[in-house]
Amino acid sequence: AQSVTQLGSHVSVSEGALVLLRCNYSSSVPPYLFWYVQYPNQGLQLLLKYTSAATLVKGINGFEAEFKKSETSFHLTKPSAHMSDAAEYFCAVSSGSGGGADGLTFGKGTHLIIQP
Amino acid sequence: KAGVTQTPRYLIKTRGQQVTLSCSPISGHRSVSWYQQTPGQGLQFLFEYFSETQRNKGNFPGRFSGRQFSNSRSEMNVSTLELGDSALYLCASSLDTFSGNTIYFGEGSWLTVV
Repeated sequence: AQSVTQLGSHVSVSEGALVLLRCNYSSSVPPYLFWYVQYPNQGLQLLLKYTSAATLVKGINGFEAEFKKSETSFHLTKPSAHMSDAAEYFCAVSSGSGGGADGLTFGKGTHLIIQP
Repeated sequence: KAGVTQTPRYLIKTRGQQVTLSCSPISGHRSVSWYQQTPGQGLQFLFEYFSETQRNKGNFPGRFSGRQFSNSRSEMNVSTLELGDSALYLCASSLDTFSGNTIYFGEGSWLTVV
């Protein structure tokens, strides 16, 4: 079984400040981890993914995430927030124990608010 | 390269009716999966198809079904609609069933049941 916990349903930061969105996962096998972003009335866009290569993963729009096995975490960060970063962010895990057919398990999402 | 295309984008149905949603994956992608997104339950996996075979299904009643055609296009059907079926239905595609593959999502089909 696999699960994802995103701490904080809403996170508010000032424009130019550090963005930190927290994600902890549970998986019985080595996981593949993803961060997706969803803008209003749109589908999901992949920000970045971890597939057991480098533990620090760089994604689009200046975002990056670090895989920490000991902490079962995959937190998303961005050094300087921009107004256009305001959106819903989802962390997801795929453990592959079902040969890839188990689908992605998503966290509940974190709504990122950028204060001017 | 065209992305994942879903039709229709918006639809309104009455309780008890049935609905069919369509999805065209990215060219060359053979795995198609479906997800339901609601404010209360979040994003939930419905099912995944590969080579016209349903490989797995999430925890949804039998009213939810799907199929995949030889060209990898997929449809999902919901019969005997209930108010709680109102949701955004997202289709996603990937090259194959490798869990580390990037999964690309469509814009979704907004279903409202009245």
